[in-house]
Formats: sequence, structure tokens, C-alpha cells
Amino acid sequence: ETGVTQSPTHLIKTRGQQVTLRCSSQSGHNTVSWYQQALGQGPQFIFQYYREEENGRGNFPPRFSGLQFPNYSSELNVNALELDDSALYLCASTQSGGALTGELFFGEGSRLTVL
Amino acid sequence: EDKVVQSPLSLVVHEGDTVTLNCSYEVTNFRSLLWYKQEKKAPTFLFMLTSSGIEKKSGRLSSILDKKELFSILNITATQTGDSAVYLCAVEPGGSEKLVFGKGTKLTVNP
Repeated sequence: ETGVTQSPTHLIKTRGQQVTLRCSSQSGHNTVSWYQQALGQGPQFIFQYYREEENGRGNFPPRFSGLQFPNYSSELNVNALELDDSALYLCASTQSGGALTGELFFGEGSRLTVL
Repeated sequence: EDKVVQSPLSLVVHEGDTVTLNCSYEVTNFRSLLWYKQEKKAPTFLFMLTSSGIEKKSGRLSSILDKKELFSILNITATQTGDSAVYLCAVEPGGSEKLVFGKGTKLTVNP
């Protein structure tokens, strides 16, 4: 186990709804990244948070947004859910101070199903 | 655009077999290549390679990087059913805050 915890583990939403996923980083880790993993695909980078600010973003629309809190935990919010948002959402933490230096420590993920 | 291609996408072997998983990449300003094992949900770290030609080993698993030809292989010898998983290859572009992953190779080891 990596010490990165995510909640909820599973959830089901309908199109148009909004969802919030939560992540607690491993102790001592100040940088949190979020990845989306669709079925049969590799994880895709959504964004990274460092010092409570977004520090890089992948090719995802603005309805994907996030927060990082002073204790380094983080939230991923997705508005106006679409069917294609169904995926495993992985949170990863590192003590890299915003610059990626290799290994990421992943949580168990939140499995989102959009009906 | 940075890209990682893994092959094969799936592989079925018997216990005791040796397998080789392939990963080729195109990335601007390469910094490192990483292998992860994903059994159910959380990918777990296996290796990070930064220098060409150096083999990293951990028990029955080993990996090597060829920076000239832009590929890496992951070898698993004497496979066991517990090796069944998706193996993910990722590259880290220099100066980036992200990893770029391939689709993974799904390995099934039958008893």
C-alpha cells in the first residue's frame, strides 16, 4: 500500500450530474496528480496540484476542476457528466515540489460509472 | 505529441514460461521511463530507467532501456499466476509534471 487514499471507491451518476472525488496524499507528499483511466486504456493525465494551485493540465475540458488543501489533500470535481467520463480516476502523490521526478505513488482509485 | 506504444496488448502463458513485454516511445526531452504493475486498481511501481543499456533487476523481473532506438523491454522469467496483471509503461518528458502512459499489456499466467 502506498498511503494514498481515495474516496469513494465506487459511485454511479447520471448524465448531467456533478461529482466530487477525494484524495489524501501519502504523508510528507506535497504534490498531487489526477489521472483518468478508461477501460482498456492507460492512465491519462488530468492535472497536478502543488501549493494549492494547478501546476499543469492535460487535454481535459474546464468542467474538470480541482482543489488542493493546506494539508495537501485534493479534490477532483467533474461537472455536467457525460457517458465518456465513466472511468477509474486515480490520484497519485509525490514529494517533488511540483516538478515530476519519476515515481508516482497511486491510490486505489475511484470507479465512476455515468448512466 | 508524446506517445508510448506497448506490445503485445495481451498475452497468455503457462506458469514457468518467460515473457518479454515491449514499450516504444516518442517524447520530447526524455527524462525517464517507468514500468508499473496494475493488478486491480492502483498501479504499483516496478522500475525507473534513465540511462541506456543499464539493466534493472528485481527478482524474476528485469528491464532495460535503449535510448537510441527509443524502446524498453520488461522481462519476467519463471512466471507465476501472481504475475497476472496489466503492465504499464510510462515516460516522463523533461520539464513536465506528468507521466505519459501506454495502453498496457495484459498478462495472464495460467497454472
